[in-house]
Amino acid sequence: QQQVKQSPQSLIVQKGGIPIINCAYENTAFDYFPWYQQFPGKGPALLIAIRPDVSEKKEGRFTISFNKSAKQFSLHIMDSQPGDSATYFCAASKREYGHKLVFGAGTILRVKS
Amino acid sequence: GAGVSQSPSNKVTEKGKDVELRCDPISGHTALYWYRQSLGQGLEFLIYFQGNSAPDKSGLPSDRFSAERTGGSVSTLTIQRTQQEDSAVYLCASSLGRGPQHFGDGTRLSIL
Repeated sequence: QQQVKQSPQSLIVQKGGIPIINCAYENTAFDYFPWYQQFPGKGPALLIAIRPDVSEKKEGRFTISFNKSAKQFSLHIMDSQPGDSATYFCAASKREYGHKLVFGAGTILRVKS
Repeated sequence: GAGVSQSPSNKVTEKGKDVELRCDPISGHTALYWYRQSLGQGLEFLIYFQGNSAPDKSGLPSDRFSAERTGGSVSTLTIQRTQQEDSAVYLCASSLGRGPQHFGDGTRLSIL
């Protein structure tokens, strides 16, 4: 059973645009929500993470928005660049589960120059 | 480097053979995870080691899969009697306690 649903599957934006990737989760016990960036042939790299006690977190050009009541969270990439072209994964975990991560299916982002 | 190291980076083997995949976590990291990433899919949790506690094996897909972690450091994932559906990228991650997970670049396993 998929517990984290991610959309869209793929996304193309122009340089400078603001791609938005959305995730929805089912398990209200989740208390940690990271986003990972993955380039071809490489492992996922942690971008930014949020806990449910805040509604927004910003690190550089990356922002997570979190809506606890809707059980949704999203990633916004400000002033996107061609170098941001990658696959992005959202994930969720519960501290009691040892932080084993449940991942969304991924979004392939292409930023056109 | 100081990152998570996995070997081999690529492995091609015949159906029915056994394979061993190795993970060297970041020095000092107490937790180690194995995930599987099938083509075009998200990552699927396999197994989790934390210190000296019994591993969480709840994600292993069948009894053909096993893993061990020796001396609280290096881990080996073993797949016996490989099947074509085992073809995937196997990723290892480590963390300091319950901190952020840092991933290696994975082993791409192809079963002919």
